Amino acid sequence: DIVLTQSPDSLPVSLGERATINCKSSQDISYSSNNKNSLAWYQQRPGQPPKLLIYWASTRESGVPDRFSGSGSGTDFTLTISSLQAEDVAVYYCQQYYSPPHTFGQGTKLEIK
Amino acid sequence: EVQLVESGGGLVKPGGSLRLSCAASGFTFSNYAMIWVRQAPGKGLEWVSRISNGGGTSIHYADSVKGRFTISRDNAKNSLYLQMNSLRAEDTALYYCARDAGAINFWGQGTLVTVSS
Repeated sequence: DIVLTQSPDSLPVSLGERATINCKSSQDISYSSNNKNSLAWYQQRPGQPPKLLIYWASTRESGVPDRFSGSGSGTDFTLTISSLQAEDVAVYYCQQYYSPPHTFGQGTKLEIK
Repeated sequence: EVQLVESGGGLVKPGGSLRLSCAASGFTFSNYAMIWVRQAPGKGLEWVSRISNGGGTSIHYADSVKGRFTISRDNAKNSLYLQMNSLRAEDTALYYCARDAGAINFWGQGTLVTVSS
């Protein structure tokens, strides 16, 4: 199974500052045929189901604010929030959908400093 | 409006069984693969099982549930199911039904399964 390791586990950031979350895969999750990376990012606020933010590593889901961006390829990926807002306090998960089981990272708790 | 509504959770003793259901609406159910994801209290997300679209001929399970859980679907009823047998304390979790479009682009609110004597 593919293992995804997120860092850090917890991230305190001041309002208006940049937040960066990393996700490292135990194997390459890019398709050589189209150079797409099967990596998604989700936001889970307390008491809510997760919400899709980013898919194919860098494509923003419809309706997601443009302060959220995804980057990376192969085994190393990053979710960046350019200017933290209060409503961004949540746990963030990466997930690979390259091969089943479509494993998740352990989560990163983003909080206000 | 897309909706996924889970049901069937509850309290069950170790070794017991439960059948979860997920009623889908607002989209063409048969066109999508569907999955179950669970979240133990205070813990992260765990992918449980996936069934392909159409006739559901491609099925996968997490190692933690393989041989005990069975996923199925009824496209005529727009429904997804998870039969859970030989339940253990570590299966206690909120179980989400979700729509799989590669990434998971829609989630239900979940149904809580508690395994305890």
